[in-house]
Amino acid sequence: QTVVTQEPSFSVSPGGTVTLTCGLSSGSVSTSDYPSWYQQTPGQAPRTLVYSTNIRSSGVPDRFSGSILGNKAALTITGAQAEDESDYYCVLYMGSGIYVFGTGTRVTVL
Amino acid sequence: QVKLQESGPGLVKPSQTLSLTCTVSGVSFGSGDYYWSWIRQPPGKGLEWIGYIFYSGDSYSNPSLESRVTLSVNTSRNQFSLDLSSVTAADTAVYFCARLLGEDYFDSWGQGTLVTVSS
Repeated sequence: QTVVTQEPSFSVSPGGTVTLTCGLSSGSVSTSDYPSWYQQTPGQAPRTLVYSTNIRSSGVPDRFSGSILGNKAALTITGAQAEDESDYYCVLYMGSGIYVFGTGTRVTVL
Repeated sequence: QVKLQESGPGLVKPSQTLSLTCTVSGVSFGSGDYYWSWIRQPPGKGLEWIGYIFYSGDSYSNPSLESRVTLSVNTSRNQFSLDLSSVTAADTAVYFCARLLGEDYFDSWGQGTLVTVSS
């Protein structure tokens, strides 16, 4: 079964920049995989940040941006703030109606 | 504004069937752009896609769960449901229902409901 891999954790300073990635255990991620990104704080439902690679969901600050970097999807936080400390998940569409969540990245802002 | 709300038992015995319902409000349930989904998260772990169903009844499931998953829809009640059979402790999780928009991304989520599998 396909595994979608993310970095387990990242630490970023307030005001700093961090790039999270979302890769495939075999093959490259492309826009045809419709990568999307979600933010989750403990005890809460996920919140949609970015979809279709680089479209920000309504109300999402512009410090969050999505892209394809090399063979992976990427989420960049530019000017990180304390409230960005969360878990982040990507989702890829595998075709044939199948979706796979990434393993998740915990971001600490300190 | 769309709202999704999960309901169902919080405790299920091993080998039995876990049954949950999601009630949708604030949107036309039968829109061709919406796919109604289930996602779960074991305590302290990541998110796992379970499957989705279209208002017509067409559905897709995670291959790793497919043999145990039944998805159904009740358009007259604006509800869709998940049955997961032969549960074990590994199925203990918070179960979320969500709307998949245009087969592209999950744009609206329920608050989630914890289901514990234990005797």
